[in-house]
Amino acid sequence: GQNIDQPTEMTATEGAIVQINCTYQTSGFNGLFWYQQHAGEAPTFLSYNVLDGLEEKGRFSSFLSRSKGYSYLLLKELQMKDSASYLCAVMDSNYQLIWGAGTKLIIKP
Amino acid sequence: GAVVSQHPSWVICKSGTSVKIECRSLDFQATTMFWYRQFPKQSLMLMATSNEGSKATYEQGVEKDKFLINHASLTLSTLTVTSAHPEDSSFYICSARGAAEVETQYFGPGTRLLVL
Repeated sequence: GQNIDQPTEMTATEGAIVQINCTYQTSGFNGLFWYQQHAGEAPTFLSYNVLDGLEEKGRFSSFLSRSKGYSYLLLKELQMKDSASYLCAVMDSNYQLIWGAGTKLIIKP
Repeated sequence: GAVVSQHPSWVICKSGTSVKIECRSLDFQATTMFWYRQFPKQSLMLMATSNEGSKATYEQGVEKDKFLINHASLTLSTLTVTSAHPEDSSFYICSARGAAEVETQYFGPGTRLLVL
């Protein structure tokens, strides 16, 4: 079966760094996505990795290891507005997105 | 990036009535549209995938006679919740993708449905 695992909840301090991990087992692989979702809103796109390595985009970076079925999202210089759920999703061989349950990130002052 | 709109953004209805939700791609042609449902504190659940001009493909456990999906044009898909009941209250989100970028889905803002 297809499976995406990520922690349910994480807490971090404003100004610090946090890493959210995601492991996956899917039927085929056409890329891994990270989305941010604030409460009551639709997800917004953060990153897309299809090749191994680190993609950096401002305060956010995403890493992928296809051989390990592993990705992480790294958030630096945390701000209160970063409090949200972070969804890991993998696109399978049919170009369907398989979603993780999301990681709720709580930022404390 | 591409823009997807949904209408209405929220709706309250009585049990037994039908509700139609529209999803539009505003600046690109969406060959495929996806309908998701999300209950509080849970992740997105794919309900169905629709390709323009053909019948939607429903995920296991989703009643196709209850959740009617129409994708009649390259910019519009509709989801009709027929005979809605309180357990259908949820956040419904559509996403769309064009033929040129099969790896990218653009999400609408979502529609919050409350059935009394």
